[in-house]
Amino acid sequence: EVQLVESGGGLVQPGGSLRLSCAASGFTFSTYWMGWVRQAPGKGLEWVANIKQDGSEKYYVDSVKGRFTISRDNAKNSLYLQMNSLRAEDTAVYYCAKRSLTRYYFDYWGQGTLVTVSS
Amino acid sequence: QTVVTQEPSFSVSPGGTVTLTCGLSSGSVSTSYYPSWYQQTPGQAPRTLIYNTNTRSSGVPDRFSGSILGNKAALTITGAQADDESDYYCVLYMGSGIWVFGGGTKLTVL
Repeated sequence: EVQLVESGGGLVQPGGSLRLSCAASGFTFSTYWMGWVRQAPGKGLEWVANIKQDGSEKYYVDSVKGRFTISRDNAKNSLYLQMNSLRAEDTAVYYCAKRSLTRYYFDYWGQGTLVTVSS
Repeated sequence: QTVVTQEPSFSVSPGGTVTLTCGLSSGSVSTSYYPSWYQQTPGQAPRTLIYNTNTRSSGVPDRFSGSILGNKAALTITGAQADDESDYYCVLYMGSGIWVFGGGTKLTVL
């Protein structure tokens, strides 16, 4: 059974940093693109970033470029999102998502971790 | 800045049929955008419904179907049930590794 478990969320001050983790199990992690999707309170889903199987390609939504870094450790079956220079508008539930092997869609989602940026 | 458009809200009667759409602020949605659809109820993670325009994800009832209607992607629910009351999101693959979600449609079944 595929499982994606996010951790690392919490309250952080504007300008601060936070690192999210996603522990993956139930599939061969190194075979799949992975991504992060967020949802601000009461708002819709927003794609944040994707990373290729070997980490050689990374893509970001414009609003986080230069501030967030997606990475992975295939030996630990883990996905990460390093978030720096956080802003109030980054407040959201962050979901880890697995991309389908051969199709352009997310087939499995974690339950999410809440990041709150506030003074 | 590409904007993916969805109806903010829609209402359907139990047993009725409803079609939600997913468009672009500029241009037409085609299969080349690989539209996919997700269902989300409050406090829960999204659930994958449709991918690659019209392929149902595993375990999704056949009352959910996807298509291209005119210049938009579409999600049709036939024989709506009370537990279909959810938020529905489409996402388009824009190429170059970039994905854009629509703003979502809140579906009410009453």
